Amino acid sequence: DAGVIQSPRHEVTEMGQEVTLRCKPISGHDYLFWYRQTMMRGLELLIYFNNNVPIDDSGMPEDRFSAKMPNASFSTLKIQPSEPRDSAVYFCASSRMRSDLGIQYFGAGTRLSVL
Amino acid sequence: GESVGLHLPTLSVQEGDNSIINCAYSNSASDYFIWYKQESGKGPQFIIDIRSNMDKRQGQRVTVLLNKTVKHLSLQIAATQPGDSAVYFCAALKGGSYIPTFGRGTSLIVHP
Repeated sequence: DAGVIQSPRHEVTEMGQEVTLRCKPISGHDYLFWYRQTMMRGLELLIYFNNNVPIDDSGMPEDRFSAKMPNASFSTLKIQPSEPRDSAVYFCASSRMRSDLGIQYFGAGTRLSVL
Repeated sequence: GESVGLHLPTLSVQEGDNSIINCAYSNSASDYFIWYKQESGKGPQFIIDIRSNMDKRQGQRVTVLLNKTVKHLSLQIAATQPGDSAVYFCAALKGGSYIPTFGRGTSLIVHP
C-alpha cells in the first residue's frame, strides 16, 4: 500500500480564499483523523471519522473549518475563508480498528501558508 | 484534560551513544502509550508502544520504560545513528477514549 496520501503538499493562498486539503487513507482502515501542527500548539486533533461518519469534531477551531468523508477512500478538510493564523502543517492519518486506534499512520502533510 | 509533556525540547548526542528521551503524563487513567518519530518534512511514524500492564518493552534498538508511579515514560535508543535525528513524540491514551494526546516533541540531533 502507498500509505496515506495527502494533496497538495504545499499550498500558498491569500487571506480570504477557500482552501481544500485532500486525503486518501490506507485501504481497509476505517478511522480517519485530521491534525494540525504548529510550533506554538504542537499536534492538535481537529476531527476524526469512523466508517465515513464524523465522530468528534470538537477540535475544529471554528466554523470556517469543515471536513467531509464522502467515501472510505477520500476525505477533505476545507477552510473558508482562510486567515493567516491558519498557516500550519495539516496531517491526515488513518487507523485500522478501534483497539488499534493508538497506532495511526500519517500522511506526509500539507504545508499551508496564508498570506 | 490529558497533558503530556517532554522534559527537554532538544537533545544532542554523538553518533554511537545511547539516547534517552523522557516524557511525563498527567492522567493516571492513561493505560496505553506510544512513541512516534517525525523526520523533517514527513508525518509522524509509529515506533513502539507499551500498555500499562508492562514496565518495559523492547524493539529493534529501542526500549520504552514506563513508571506508572510517577507517570513517566522514556524512550531509549541504543547506538544512536544520524538517521535517528528527528522529533520524537510520546502519546498517551486512556481506556475508552482511544484518541492519543500527543506531547510537544523532543528534537533529537545526532552528531557524526
